[in-house]
Amino acid sequence: GAGVSQSPRYKVAKRGQDVALRCDPISGHVSLFWYQQALGQGPEFLTYFQNEAQLDKSGLPSDRFFAERPEGSVSTLKIQRTQQEDSAVYLCASSPGSPAGYQFFGPGTRLTVL
Amino acid sequence: DQQVKQNSPSLSVQEGRISILNCDYTNSMFDYFLWYKKYPAEGPTFLISISSIKDKNEDGRFTVFLNKSAKHLSLHIVPSQPGDSAVYFCLQVGNQFYFGTGTSLTVIP
Repeated sequence: GAGVSQSPRYKVAKRGQDVALRCDPISGHVSLFWYQQALGQGPEFLTYFQNEAQLDKSGLPSDRFFAERPEGSVSTLKIQRTQQEDSAVYLCASSPGSPAGYQFFGPGTRLTVL
Repeated sequence: DQQVKQNSPSLSVQEGRISILNCDYTNSMFDYFLWYKKYPAEGPTFLISISSIKDKNEDGRFTVFLNKSAKHLSLHIVPSQPGDSAVYFCLQVGNQFYFGTGTSLTVIP
């Protein structure tokens, strides 16, 4: 497809379960971003990759959150031992070059932790 | 503490009139701003951007104004159309990325 895709679109997890969220960026896009959007809030930055290098992970809320992009294309956001406060929409975005350029967003994965 | 604020959570405008969405920021070190539009169950889509070397950028019905001294930017949509009904976010970009909380715009036919 031409756009950013994310899977699954919806995920329900029991508290304490590990989850993995996948992002397929637009082919050739160098930069990849993950955001967390809680209900009624704006997206909050989690982490940023340039190719396979994770250049900024300052937004990851705890060490239960881990992101990787091993080949500089597909990225996975992993959340270990999920908690109810992790319930949110997780948005992935990519951009062709510099992070200052505009980002193309995927539809998001809605995570609900019971 | 919220770095970027959109103080109006919602706005209703009559079709054909002007919509003005506002955004205030605290950190003037980051000097590139973008506006995004979001429909339910979809990711945000880019609308228009502005960098601090300019105070205005226009693209069709959309104009963004940047007032650096007031640390304020606004998005003007004129004329407003029912298809513009969505949530609008401003994004401040530098070596950090800060979204506003969003304003839900309803354009009434």
